[in-house]
Amino acid sequence: DIQMTQSPSSLSASVGDRITITCRASQGISSWLAWYQQKPEKAPKSLIYGASNLQSGVPSRFSGSGSGTDFTLTISSLQPEDFATYYCQQYNSYPLTFGGGTKVEIK
Amino acid sequence: EVQLVESGGGLVQPGGSLRLSCAASGFTFSNYWMTWVRQAPGKGLEWVANIKQDGSEKYYVDSVKGRFTISRDNAKNSVFLQMNSLRAEDTAVYYCARGRVTLDPWGQGTLVTVSS
Repeated sequence: DIQMTQSPSSLSASVGDRITITCRASQGISSWLAWYQQKPEKAPKSLIYGASNLQSGVPSRFSGSGSGTDFTLTISSLQPEDFATYYCQQYNSYPLTFGGGTKVEIK
Repeated sequence: EVQLVESGGGLVQPGGSLRLSCAASGFTFSNYWMTWVRQAPGKGLEWVANIKQDGSEKYYVDSVKGRFTISRDNAKNSVFLQMNSLRAEDTAVYYCARGRVTLDPWGQGTLVTVSS
């Protein structure tokens, strides 16, 4: 199975900050990576697929990059509604696997 | 509006069975793979299973193989998860989601609690 490791596991930031979350795969997955946002007590929401492609309706302050084993999710200017937990997910091979999550909290 | 609504969760004893349902609306259900993902309390996301449009291909995470069965009824725009021989570690919110590998959207989830 491909292991997905996210860092940091949590971070504190202020509105307007630029933040970056890292996701590392235990083996190469090309660009077969997605990012999801989950708010407390809510279902996850798809943000990015193919490592860098924004889902329809996702604000342009979100961006994704990377290929192979190392990936990043960047929020260019954090907004109040962005405080949530973020998960990466590989779909290079079964079983599909998720990272452990990164909780973004208000400083 | 695309919508997925799960149902069928509840409290069940270890070794028991439960059948989850997910009703889809707002899109052509028969055109899409469908997926189940679960989340144990306070934990991260775990992919459980998915099923091809016509039901001819199904994939499972190892921990549920032989115990869980995914199925679908395209006439009723629904996907199901039959869960047998349930264990305490199956306790989680179970989400259905549209798609095979990139999942969008997700339902609101249904809680399954396995406890005596």
